[in-house]
Amino acid sequence: NAGVMQNPRHLVRRRGQEARLRCSPMKGHSHVYWYRQLPEEGLKFMVYLQKENIIDESGMPKERFSAEFPKEGPSILRIQQVVRGDSAAYFCASSLRVGHEQYFGPGTRLTVT
Amino acid sequence: ILNVEQSPQSLHVQEGDSTNFTCSFPSSNFYALHWYRWETAKSPEALFVMTLNGDEKKKGRISATLNTKEGYSYLYIKGSQPEDSATYLCAWGGGGADGLTFGKGTHLIIQP
Repeated sequence: NAGVMQNPRHLVRRRGQEARLRCSPMKGHSHVYWYRQLPEEGLKFMVYLQKENIIDESGMPKERFSAEFPKEGPSILRIQQVVRGDSAAYFCASSLRVGHEQYFGPGTRLTVT
Repeated sequence: ILNVEQSPQSLHVQEGDSTNFTCSFPSSNFYALHWYRWETAKSPEALFVMTLNGDEKKKGRISATLNTKEGYSYLYIKGSQPEDSATYLCAWGGGGADGLTFGKGTHLIIQP
């Protein structure tokens, strides 16, 4: 099954630590999207990347959050100096082209203690 | 603020009955409307992507319609089965952003 892979599935970090979330898109997909689901909220768009480029980061918090999608390897969502409010489920999706169906991974549930 | 609203928030339906629910979205700067099915502990699963006003798509017992002029889409499920129990999400693509704006979903429970 060449679906979207995310790891880890669960991540616990203490306040002030760094969190790194990984996403491997479906085979052949070069468009990657990150979404966040806060408790009791819907999915919120964070960032859209193509290989080696950030195309749209309009949903990313201005500080502590960054994303990359290198030429080789998975896309990484990095959260520095995590705070309790960062606790959420982070989903990655990939698509063949912009505007096409987005295929979602299983998500990474981040808990900040 | 670009809001995507779904109603009802939750719905209980008897097995075998048909049902439908609504997604409303901004009608300006429209690009695409997506429907997803999300079962607990699984990933959201793409059902439909619709782009043209008047579009109607069908997959088995599930179908969807789109009205971009007035900004709404309906999802229909014919002859509901227990395996249809899930949260159904709609997502609007538009407004110049490349990511999707999701509604909070309609939580559907099919009662045997």
